[in-house]
Amino acid sequence: DAGVTQSPTHLIKTRGQHVTLRCSPISGHKSVSWYQQVLGQGPQFIFQYYEKEERGRGNFPDRFSARQFPNYSSELNVNALLLGDSALYLCASGIGAGTDTQYFGPGTRLTVL
Amino acid sequence: DQQVKQNSPSLSVQEGRISILNCDYTNSMFDYFLWYKKYPAEGPTFLISISSIKDKNEDGRFTVFLNKSAKHLSLHIVPSQPGDSAVYFCAASAGNQFYFGTGTSLTVIP
Repeated sequence: DAGVTQSPTHLIKTRGQHVTLRCSPISGHKSVSWYQQVLGQGPQFIFQYYEKEERGRGNFPDRFSARQFPNYSSELNVNALLLGDSALYLCASGIGAGTDTQYFGPGTRLTVL
Repeated sequence: DQQVKQNSPSLSVQEGRISILNCDYTNSMFDYFLWYKKYPAEGPTFLISISSIKDKNEDGRFTVFLNKSAKHLSLHIVPSQPGDSAVYFCAASAGNQFYFGTGTSLTVIP
């Protein structure tokens, strides 16, 4: 069975631009969470979606938004990119919401110049 | 505010010996704890988890211990193998959000 997939693998943008990252969960998983991992740090929680509804949000500005589609795939959008948004963006899927083991995708490496 | 802390950035262990990775947390509401392993250029891979109602969970060479009174979590790997060399993250959950530590880089020396 396929694991969590993310696209694109790498992305280079300039300050002020907008970016959309995509994630497909493991088949049968209904929750998707997004994390930002800056070099040398652990993943920082951005959002969790379950059954197309936002179930949790971390301490990130409104420039960050996400949505989940009927097939449970998800998009993370970041507007007005800043240099500090450069990071590895990880998507994780789980069977349910809340306390449930999450399985991570390989991530999207975003570089903002 | 770092609610989950891994105070050892790195650890080196001889092949065949025990590796002990430690993790401390501050939030007494955390009720579920996990360990992930991460290789370069890959996403974290789930290793083992433990609920707050338990104090130990084993899966093959991996054992996680939870000391709730000390708010301390540890991962034991016995015996350590060179393929275990990776960055290990502990994570804790209360509700819909997981909090991760900063990771410990484990090197198993052949």
